Amino acid sequence: GAVVSQHPSRVICKSGTSVKIECRSLDFQATTMFWYRQFPKQSLMLMATSNEGSKATYEQGVEKDKFLINHASLTLSTLTVTSAHPEDSSFYICSVGRGGYNEQFFGPGTRLTVL
Amino acid sequence: GDSVTQMEGPVTLSEEAFLTINCTYTATGYPSLFWYVQYPGEGLQLLLKATKADDKGSNKGFEATYRKETTSFHLEKGSVQVSDSAVYFCALTWGGSEKLVFGKGTKLTVNP
Repeated sequence: GAVVSQHPSRVICKSGTSVKIECRSLDFQATTMFWYRQFPKQSLMLMATSNEGSKATYEQGVEKDKFLINHASLTLSTLTVTSAHPEDSSFYICSVGRGGYNEQFFGPGTRLTVL
Repeated sequence: GDSVTQMEGPVTLSEEAFLTINCTYTATGYPSLFWYVQYPGEGLQLLLKATKADDKGSNKGFEATYRKETTSFHLEKGSVQVSDSAVYFCALTWGGSEKLVFGKGTKLTVNP
């Protein structure tokens, strides 16, 4: 398996501010990381695929200027929610893909509340 | 495109009851199939998986069999516990990709 951490676990911010969420792969080097948003009533939406050293690939309907993803190293990917608004309040989850395992390993999630 | 359909929840059971959560999929080729579990306030954990037809995944008393003929991967447990209360997600990947396609999740509540 793989151990994935996220920081912070919870964040509350004012409308209009930007928030950065970190996702770390603690025990192996991850070339691919994924960012999900979980809406009320459970459903998970893949937002983007983060590739180390290159631009992230965003899913249809996800604003890349709103949700900035940086995968600058093999152990760290960051998601920045820019100019956050109350409708951005959600549970954000990252995961890492580990080549050869054909599966993803998930972080514990970050609860974002925008006031 | 590829998709996963899970039974709608929520599901409420008494302790020691039998659990079935239905999952069917649509995919080209031969996907790998997964069940993930999300406990309250946490991220997702892999519960079990199967990578080819007729494989049975099992973990913590849960089982699911990859049925190609019915394109299904139903989750079962013979005797649920209160600690099994969580949201369960069926998912697939295909063609060696790590990209997951999730079902909408089924919330299970087990009462003592």
